[in-house]
Amino acid sequence: AQTVTQSQPEMSVQEAETVTLSCTYDTSESDYYLFWYKQPPSRQMILVIRQEAYKQQNATENRFSVNFQKAAKSFSLKISDSQLGDAAMYFCAYRRGNYGGSQGNLIFGKGTKLSVKP
Amino acid sequence: DGGITQSPKYLFRKEGQNVTLSCEQNLNHDAMYWYRQDPGQGLRLIYYSQIVNDFQKGDIAEGYSVSREKKESFPLTVTSAQKNPTAFYLCASSITGLRFSGELFFGEGSRLTVL
Repeated sequence: AQTVTQSQPEMSVQEAETVTLSCTYDTSESDYYLFWYKQPPSRQMILVIRQEAYKQQNATENRFSVNFQKAAKSFSLKISDSQLGDAAMYFCAYRRGNYGGSQGNLIFGKGTKLSVKP
Repeated sequence: DGGITQSPKYLFRKEGQNVTLSCEQNLNHDAMYWYRQDPGQGLRLIYYSQIVNDFQKGDIAEGYSVSREKKESFPLTVTSAQKNPTAFYLCASSITGLRFSGELFFGEGSRLTVL
């Protein structure tokens, strides 16, 4: 079974600085997707960034980028120029590539709580 | 605006009582999901439904029941058989099929406390 591990329960960053959140996963599949979701204190989770395993290029979305190391099964999230609004729980998630039945469901890590200091 | 609405936001229940959490979406999504979130545990899948009148158990379905009579609605009932029901419950939806990339759209959640 696939698993997702986030080894940092809490992280802290100074405003305008850069922070990296770690995520590792375990799978025997070659085709899959990886995600970072953000859950701010208001509780509504939103998608931050998505990476397809077959793509070698790391995904970027404005100040958010990932470092995807397929061989190492590592998928870290880098937040540049951190802002107060970035304070939230961040969840790493995995999904198998071939959608169908339960294979379409996401497996989430336990989350990393990010604090941003002014 | 399109989105997912969960109600109530906060709910208190006595032991032995069933309670139903509402989830409505106007995104025209075929698939809907219920997750349970506990501190330090991440999100765990309770039930999911990919089409009206059909649903499947997730990883922690015991003590829960669902229905999917309408595309827009996917209510979750927490029964008295659920041994530890105090938690935060999140409903989500998504498109299905080949275009599905894995993005889920979430509601704001319902916090259930058993007294």
